[in-house]
Amino acid sequence: GENVEQHPSTLSVQEGDSAVIKCTYSDSASNYFPWYKQELGKGPQLIIDIRSNVGEKKDQRIAVTLNKTAKHFSLHITETQPEDSAVYFCAAPFDRGSTLGRLYFGRGTQLTVWP
Amino acid sequence: DTAVSQTPKYLVTQMGNDKSIKCEQNLGHDTMYWYKQDSKKFLKIMFSYNNKELIINETVPNRFSPKSPDKAHLNLHINSLELGDSAVYFCASRGTSGKETQYFGPGTRLLVL
Repeated sequence: GENVEQHPSTLSVQEGDSAVIKCTYSDSASNYFPWYKQELGKGPQLIIDIRSNVGEKKDQRIAVTLNKTAKHFSLHITETQPEDSAVYFCAAPFDRGSTLGRLYFGRGTQLTVWP
Repeated sequence: DTAVSQTPKYLVTQMGNDKSIKCEQNLGHDTMYWYKQDSKKFLKIMFSYNNKELIINETVPNRFSPKSPDKAHLNLHINSLELGDSAVYFCASRGTSGKETQYFGPGTRLLVL
């Protein structure tokens, strides 16, 4: 099975600064890596994902990079805003070759953006 | 037009009681899940259902019994509630193979006293 480690557990930045959250995974066969954002009192929502056939993906202020050799992937948020404050989770597939699509989640990063 | 909905949003009950949480998705997805999120925010999968059939029970005590009356619904019944069951329970759904995105419900906050 997969094991995902996420760091840091908490991250505080000033508005306008960048934030980076890193995750490592154990199964070299994993091929899909999503990032979820969970706002207070809500369920996790997908914000960006990356497949193992690309090294980087961007969507406006957020980007994800993947290093398959080192088995780690990172979330980058530029020009942070107070509304970016939330808990962010990385995840990796639980099953190799399964259609179930189970995900193993990292333990989350509480991001706080100070105005 | 909520994609994945859960009821109730809050549930406060006494130890030993039996309670149910309901989940519905209007996305036409085949696969549904129940997750438990503890006080430290750790999200752990409990059950995976595909086309109304239980595929995997992630070593959850048999006091927890999921039931799927149809593809759009996955309910969770919990017998003999214990203090350690206090958590936020999330339902999620996912489309067919090749579409990995999981869509989460808003969660049910369960407090066992």
